[in-house]
Amino acid sequence: GENVEQHPSTLSVQEGDSAVIKCTYSDSASNYFPWYKQELGKRPQLIIDIRSNVGEKKDQRIAVTLNKTAKHFSLHITETQPEDSAVYFCAASNNAGNMLTFGGGTRLMVKP
Amino acid sequence: DAMVIQNPRYQVTQFGKPVTLSCSQTLNHNVMYWYQQKSSQAPKLLFHYYDKDFNNEADTPDNFQSRRPNTSFCFLDIRSPGLGDAAMYLCATSRNRGREPQHFGDGTRLSIL
Repeated sequence: GENVEQHPSTLSVQEGDSAVIKCTYSDSASNYFPWYKQELGKRPQLIIDIRSNVGEKKDQRIAVTLNKTAKHFSLHITETQPEDSAVYFCAASNNAGNMLTFGGGTRLMVKP
Repeated sequence: DAMVIQNPRYQVTQFGKPVTLSCSQTLNHNVMYWYQQKSSQAPKLLFHYYDKDFNNEADTPDNFQSRRPNTSFCFLDIRSPGLGDAAMYLCATSRNRGREPQHFGDGTRLSIL
């Protein structure tokens, strides 16, 4: 089955700096990679996703890059703000109906 | 407007006393999922329904059951809750399985006395 590893487990940045979270996956058949943001006590919210037919996707301050050959994908947050502080989860799945496999999560802290 | 609604938000039950958590959706999605999430961990899939087809994860304890009486509603039944079952329970939906975004409800935090 799929295995998704996520690094780092915690990340502390200064407001305005960039943050990068990286994930690797094991199943070469995986072709869908969402990222979820979960604030304390709240539900995971989809913030961006990418499919394997593209290498990069951007939405305002958030971007995701995908390297299919190396089987890794990354979340990039620019100009971080205190409200970006949360736990971020990456995940992977494929067309075969396999369920999302989540990474272990990254706790991002943005210091004002 | 909330599209995946979970009730209640907080549930307290006694050790061994059956409890039912509910989830409803207004998205008309085919798939509904139940996850268990413990503190500082990723959500762990318990089972999912693809339409009426029930799919149990291999490591989901027998203590956990689910019902989906119609497209909109799905229930999680815990027959004899133990202290280790205290967690956040998240319901999610997606249009289909595979590479589709999942939409989560706000969760039910279950405490066991």
